[in-house]
Amino acid sequence: QKEVEQNSGPLSVPEGAIASLNCTYSDRGSQSFFWYRQYSGKSPELIMFIYSNGDKEDGRFTAQLNKASQYVSLLIRDSQPSDSATYLCAVWGYQLIWGAGTKLIIKP
Amino acid sequence: DVKVTQSSRYLVKRTGEKVFLECVQDMDHENMFWYRQDPGLGLRLIYFSYDVKMKEKGDIPEGYSVSREKKERFSLILESASTNQTSMYLCASSLGVGVANEKLFFGSGTQLSVL
Repeated sequence: QKEVEQNSGPLSVPEGAIASLNCTYSDRGSQSFFWYRQYSGKSPELIMFIYSNGDKEDGRFTAQLNKASQYVSLLIRDSQPSDSATYLCAVWGYQLIWGAGTKLIIKP
Repeated sequence: DVKVTQSSRYLVKRTGEKVFLECVQDMDHENMFWYRQDPGLGLRLIYFSYDVKMKEKGDIPEGYSVSREKKERFSLILESASTNQTSMYLCASSLGVGVANEKLFFGSGTQLSVL
């Protein structure tokens, strides 16, 4: 059974700090990795994707991938209250496997 | 921007009714998906389709069927609605098969309540 694990949270971070969200996966053959943000009552929206080992930066967001250790992280710098949401990790091998999500709360 | 449109935002049905959930995408995407999302359980794949008239079962297909007669439209059918099918239903599409093409675009969701 291929799995993607996330801490359900909630993860509480002060405004302006760095939020660090983690995701581990079981399938070593996984090729692409996605972070989706889901606001309460809304549908998921893609915010980051990464295919290669290392870091990928997009504005305040950085995705980090370590295939040897089978984890992928999302860092949010200068966290804002508007970043409060559930963050879903999804991993694609031959099918897309979803984590259950981490609820992030940014406290003003 | 990709637009994925689901026909209803909220739907209330009675046990035993046949329910149709419609989804349309406007970006000529090859792949379409139906998920349900329940608190604490995350996203669970019901059915997906990689081409017109083609369908594949996902992780929880029991009690559901799908139809894809046109590339842009993917319908989810609950043959005889039951209370355990009360859930948020999410339709999604993606460009095509392949490492770079699996980014999903979601519709706004349909919250279905079966009484």
